[in-house]
Amino acid sequence: EVQLVESGGGLVKPGRSLRLSCTASGFTFGDYAMSWFRQAPGKGLEWVGFIRSKAYGGTTEYAASVKGRFTISRDDSKSIAYLQMNSLKTEDTAVYYCTRWYGDYGFDYWGQGTLVTVSS
Amino acid sequence: EIVLTQSPGTLSLSPGERATLSCRASQSVSSSYLAWYQQKPGQAPRLLIYGASSRATGIPDRFSGSGSGTDFTLTISRLEPEDFAVYYCQQYGSSRITFGPGTKVDIK
Repeated sequence: EVQLVESGGGLVKPGRSLRLSCTASGFTFGDYAMSWFRQAPGKGLEWVGFIRSKAYGGTTEYAASVKGRFTISRDDSKSIAYLQMNSLKTEDTAVYYCTRWYGDYGFDYWGQGTLVTVSS
Repeated sequence: EIVLTQSPGTLSLSPGERATLSCRASQSVSSSYLAWYQQKPGQAPRLLIYGASSRATGIPDRFSGSGSGTDFTLTISRLEPEDFAVYYCQQYGSSRITFGPGTKVDIK
């Protein structure tokens, strides 16, 4: 059974950093791109960024709203994807979801989400 | 960036009725890389449709997707009580993935 479990969320002050983890199981992690999405309280879904599999260079893409502040990485030996968030702003407050990207077949598995609150 | 617009914002229907949700893109969506998600309060989104018209694993056949280019539709043939939720369209054909603002389907 495919499972994605996010961790690392919490309350953080503006300007500080936080690292989220996404621990995967039930599939060959290294074969898939992984993506992060977020949802601010009461709002819609927003794409944050993704990391391709090593077979496709392991390169990353980011939304304009986080580019230069957030970094996605992966450790295929541990089946974990990371979202390093620096210079956090109050508008980064959201539930952050980790997903598996199954190419043409879309983002087929989502974690339960982890809440990040940026507030002084 | 491709902007997605969904209509209507809210759809009030009764169980057993047919729901038709629209998603329009500001430019053509590459290779019909258009997906639909269902989200219930306090839950993660669930993939319903990918590639504009293919049902994801385990999705009942009352859900169907259609369209190409810039106009896409999600149809729920007969609403079940568990179908009342928010539905989002998403395009993943460009390296800047975007969502529509969502359509809420609520009970009339």
